[in-house]
Amino acid sequence: RKEVEQDPGPFNVPEGATVAFNCTYSNSASQSFFWYRQDCRKEPKLLMSVYSSGNEDGRFTAQLNRASQYISLLIRDSKLSDSATYLCVVNEYNQGGKLIFGQGTELSVKP
Amino acid sequence: DAGVIQSPRHEVTEMGQEVTLRCKPISGHNSLFWYRQTMMRGLELLIYFNNNVPIDDSGMPEDRFSAKMPNASFSTLKIQPSEPRDSAVYFCASSWGEGDEKLFFGSGTQLSVL
Repeated sequence: RKEVEQDPGPFNVPEGATVAFNCTYSNSASQSFFWYRQDCRKEPKLLMSVYSSGNEDGRFTAQLNRASQYISLLIRDSKLSDSATYLCVVNEYNQGGKLIFGQGTELSVKP
Repeated sequence: DAGVIQSPRHEVTEMGQEVTLRCKPISGHNSLFWYRQTMMRGLELLIYFNNNVPIDDSGMPEDRFSAKMPNASFSTLKIQPSEPRDSAVYFCASSWGEGDEKLFFGSGTQLSVL
């Protein structure tokens, strides 16, 4: 089983739609969680951290369910500029603090 | 403010040749990571350093790969001899400290081994 698993997509949605991505992780000792965004042929960039109580940043909402080892990202009112690959990332402190990346979920927002 | 700087941006080489990838982390960052990205396997952590010391190299595929960090402002990833299956994008990233989650990535090196 992969340490961090995501649905690769692609998710094709119209502008203005709401879309949700899910991610599961295998290491129950994982302590912190993130979503990174990667545009085509570019480097990954931190989108947002994921907190236990859930958190929002504008149109983006991240949720964490530790019991189910599940992380989600919700994007409301999708924009064309949201088209990218979204990477779920887990910090495995019990392995020296290394970040483990999921394979990513591709989102394509169409006019 | 300069970000993480990687060179070269693109490298095309023939099988069997030595390849050296270079990285300059953000000044003041004390953790440095080397990742490899392919369509099949996604982003894989190869090795990471904290305060110039290798902490975890369990992701290095085999002995053909080696990495060094002689000082806080420079790191290299070397492949010798290179093979076609090494073709990938190699990213270097840095952060403020061990276990710090906000990674700043360089633009990557696109490596093609023919």
